[in-house]
Amino acid sequence: SQQGEEDPQALSIQEGENATMNCSYKTSINNLQWYRQNSGRGLVHLILIRSNEREKHSGRLRVTLDTSKKSSSLLITASRAADTASYFCATDLDWFMEYGNKLVFGAGTILRVKS
Amino acid sequence: EPEVTQTPSHQVTQMGQEVILRCVPISNHLYFYWYRQILGQKVEFLVSFYNNEISEKSEIFDDQFSVERPDGSNFTLKIRSTKLEDSAMYFCASSEFRSGANVLTFGAGSRLTVL
Repeated sequence: SQQGEEDPQALSIQEGENATMNCSYKTSINNLQWYRQNSGRGLVHLILIRSNEREKHSGRLRVTLDTSKKSSSLLITASRAADTASYFCATDLDWFMEYGNKLVFGAGTILRVKS
Repeated sequence: EPEVTQTPSHQVTQMGQEVILRCVPISNHLYFYWYRQILGQKVEFLVSFYNNEISEKSEIFDDQFSVERPDGSNFTLKIRSTKLEDSAMYFCASSEFRSGANVLTFGAGSRLTVL
């Protein structure tokens, strides 16, 4: 089974509303990251939260991490039509970068913001 | 802003043919990756590469696949004897380990269609 799993699989909201996406994972992590993917494009890093952090903000993004529940949430406030994309959580399992730590991605949440 | 570039953006090939996907990572990055995404599905790790050798590979990355860094700038993924199920988006990524975290920068992807 995969390390990261997001829910919901799809989310449709009106412009101006907040969007919340959740991610669960199975093993201990060094950090958890969120990426965004516009349709047919590459993934773009949004925000990183370390295992010893509980909450992080970046602009309209707020990420929380609960290591006891092995879960994270991404909140996008005051959503815009341009936020329409797929959002993926990715976990970094390794503590030491000896040879290139892979990130393990979840299945993603498809967010649609209607104007 | 530095970016990862991938070519071709789309390649159509016949089953059984060999394909080479090319990537130019960010110049000061040391760690390189290939991921793939079958349409609408999750982003799957294929292989990581550091110091001119494979550092980790997934079960997907069997003898059909190989990677190479033929010069100081290019990073290639070769797929020998393509199969229908190899049809997917292939993403190259690179990273530098900074401040105890590994953040990946992805290219826009190469769409492979095997007929």
